[in-house]
Amino acid sequence: KAGVTQTPRYLIKTRGQQVTLSCSPISGHRSVSWYQQTPGQGLQFLFEYFSETQRNKGNFPGRFSGRQFSNSRSEMNVSTLELGDSALYLCASSLITGGWETQYFGPGTRLLVL
Amino acid sequence: DQQVKQNSPSLSVQEGRISILNCDYTNSMFDYFLWYKKYPAEGPTFLISISSIKDKNEDGRFTVFLNKSAKHLSLHIVPSQPGDSAVYFCAASHRSQGNLIFGKGTKLSVKP
Repeated sequence: KAGVTQTPRYLIKTRGQQVTLSCSPISGHRSVSWYQQTPGQGLQFLFEYFSETQRNKGNFPGRFSGRQFSNSRSEMNVSTLELGDSALYLCASSLITGGWETQYFGPGTRLLVL
Repeated sequence: DQQVKQNSPSLSVQEGRISILNCDYTNSMFDYFLWYKKYPAEGPTFLISISSIKDKNEDGRFTVFLNKSAKHLSLHIVPSQPGDSAVYFCAASHRSQGNLIFGKGTKLSVKP
C-alpha cells in the first residue's frame, strides 16, 4: 500500500501571504490529522478530519484551517503568514484497530516564511 | 503544561547493547501509547504501541513496557544497531479524542 503523501515537500513564502498544503491518506484510511513541528514546541496537533468533518481541533489561531474531501484527501490552509509559521507540517492518516487509533505520518511539508 | 515528557534529550549506546528510552505522562485519561522514530526532514515512522489494558508489547527487537500506576512507559531496543540512530518520540492519546500528544523526543545514537 502506498503511504501518506504530502505536497509540496518544500515551500517558501513571504509574510502576509497564504499557503495551502495537501495530503493524501493511505487508501482506506478515513481520518486525517495535521501537526506542526518546530524546534521549540515539538510536535503539536492542529486538527483532525473524519468523513469531511472536523472532529477535533488543537490550540492554534483561526488563520489555520483545513478541510477534507469525499475521497479523504485533505488540505490545510494558513492565511496571513507570520515568520513563526515556519515549520514542518505533518499529515497523518489513521487506522483503528481493536478500538485504538494508530496514526501513520507522511514525509511532511517544510514551510519557510521570509 | 507538558502532558507527555521525555526527560532525556539524548542517549548514546554501543552497538549490540540495550537502548532504553523513557517517557512519563500526567493525564490518567490516556489509554493508548505509541512510539515513533524520526529521521531529520522526514515524517515520524510508527514503531510500536500499547493500550492501557496491557503492560507489555513486543515486536521483534522492540518492546514497550507500561506502568500505569507510575504513569511511565519505556521502549527497549535489543540489540541496538547503528541504523536505530534517530529521534524517538513517545505519544499518548485518549480513545475519545483521536489526536496524539507528543513528548519532545529523545535522540538516540548507536555507536559501532
